[in-house]
Amino acid sequence: DADVTQTPRNRITKTGKRIMLECSQTKGHDRMYWYRQDPGLGLRLIYYSFDVKDINKGEISDGYSVSRQAQAKFSLSLESAIPNQTALYFCATSDPTSGDYNEQFFGPGTRLTVL
Amino acid sequence: AQTVTQSQPEMSVQEAETVTLSCTYDTSENNYYLFWYKQPPSRQMILVIRQEAYKQQNATENRFSVNFQKAAKSFSLKISDSQLGDTAMYFCAFIRARHNNDMRFGAGTRLTVKP
Repeated sequence: DADVTQTPRNRITKTGKRIMLECSQTKGHDRMYWYRQDPGLGLRLIYYSFDVKDINKGEISDGYSVSRQAQAKFSLSLESAIPNQTALYFCATSDPTSGDYNEQFFGPGTRLTVL
Repeated sequence: AQTVTQSQPEMSVQEAETVTLSCTYDTSENNYYLFWYKQPPSRQMILVIRQEAYKQQNATENRFSVNFQKAAKSFSLKISDSQLGDTAMYFCAFIRARHNNDMRFGAGTRLTVKP
């Protein structure tokens, strides 16, 4: 089974709708992240969480919110989706105590299309 | 702010030949980590190779090696004996050693291996 899972894998929605993307991990990592990928821009950080009580904005947090329901779960919400939020969204985890180069482990991504 | 630049949006190589992907970065930090991630059509982000800035020796993983030039802030990826399965988008990424929240990615290079 995959260590980091994301649901749904693909989603098409309409402008103005509320959307939630979910991420679960079995790696036991405290740190979790949400990124979006756009062509020509690479991946950019939306939000990150170092534990259940610690949530921080990333580079492009406007229009998004997150919830860390448990160590293993980190959800991303679009309260009112707009077309320029059409992108590929990735969840990632890391364990700073592991000594593994600050490596982040990525989920399979969610393709979101906002019409 | 840290920035990562990949100046080659697309590249191609013949099967069994060698190709080098370029990456430069900008930082005032002395301790950091650098990564190359591969993203095949499946969308999964796969770690290819990683490098600690304080290590002068270039990292190698089978057919993949890097040329890390710290003074020039350059981190290129060499793929030897290219295989069709190497066809993918490749992202260069940077993270500061003490700031596990802020991984910065380049825009990516789309590599096509031709038979």
